[in-house]
Amino acid sequence: DIQMTQSPSSLSASVGDRVTITCRASQSISNYLNWYQRKPEKAPKLLIYAASSLQSGVPSRFSGSGSGTDFTLTISSLQPEDFATYYCQQSYGTPLTFGGGTKVEIK
Amino acid sequence: EVQLLESGGGLVQPGGSLRLSCAASGFTFSSYAMSWVRQAPGKGLEWVSGISGSGGSPYHADSVKGRFTISRDDSKNTVYLQMNSLRAEDTAVYYCAKDLGIALAGTFEHWGQGTLVTVSS
Repeated sequence: DIQMTQSPSSLSASVGDRVTITCRASQSISNYLNWYQRKPEKAPKLLIYAASSLQSGVPSRFSGSGSGTDFTLTISSLQPEDFATYYCQQSYGTPLTFGGGTKVEIK
Repeated sequence: EVQLLESGGGLVQPGGSLRLSCAASGFTFSSYAMSWVRQAPGKGLEWVSGISGSGGSPYHADSVKGRFTISRDDSKNTVYLQMNSLRAEDTAVYYCAKDLGIALAGTFEHWGQGTLVTVSS
């Protein structure tokens, strides 16, 4: 199975900050990498697919990059509604696997 | 508007069975792969099972293989998860998720609100 490791597991940031979350795959997955946002009591929301493609309706302050084993999700200017948990997920092959999550909290 | 509505969750004893359903609307159901993803209390997301469009091949995570079965009825726009031999570690909120296309690409652009399964005596 492909293991997905996210870092950090949590971070504190202020509104307006630039935030970067990293995700590492245990083997090369090309660009088969997705990012989701999860808020309490809400279903997960697809933000980025294929490592860098912005899902329709997602604000442009979210961006993704990377290929192979190392990937990054960046929020260019953190907004109040962005405080949530973020998960990466590989879609290279089954079993599909998620990272452990990164909780973004208010500083 | 895409809608996914899960049902069938509840409290079940260890070793018991449960069948989850996910009723879909707002898109051509047969043309999309569907999956079940779960989140145990205090844990992260875990993909459980997936099935390609038009009754294609099912896939299961190793943790549920041989115990869970995913299926779909395109005439009813519904995907199911039959869960047998349930264990305490299967306790989770189970989400139904719609894929990008007919093959199981594993990119979930729409999710349901989830149904809670609790396995306890």
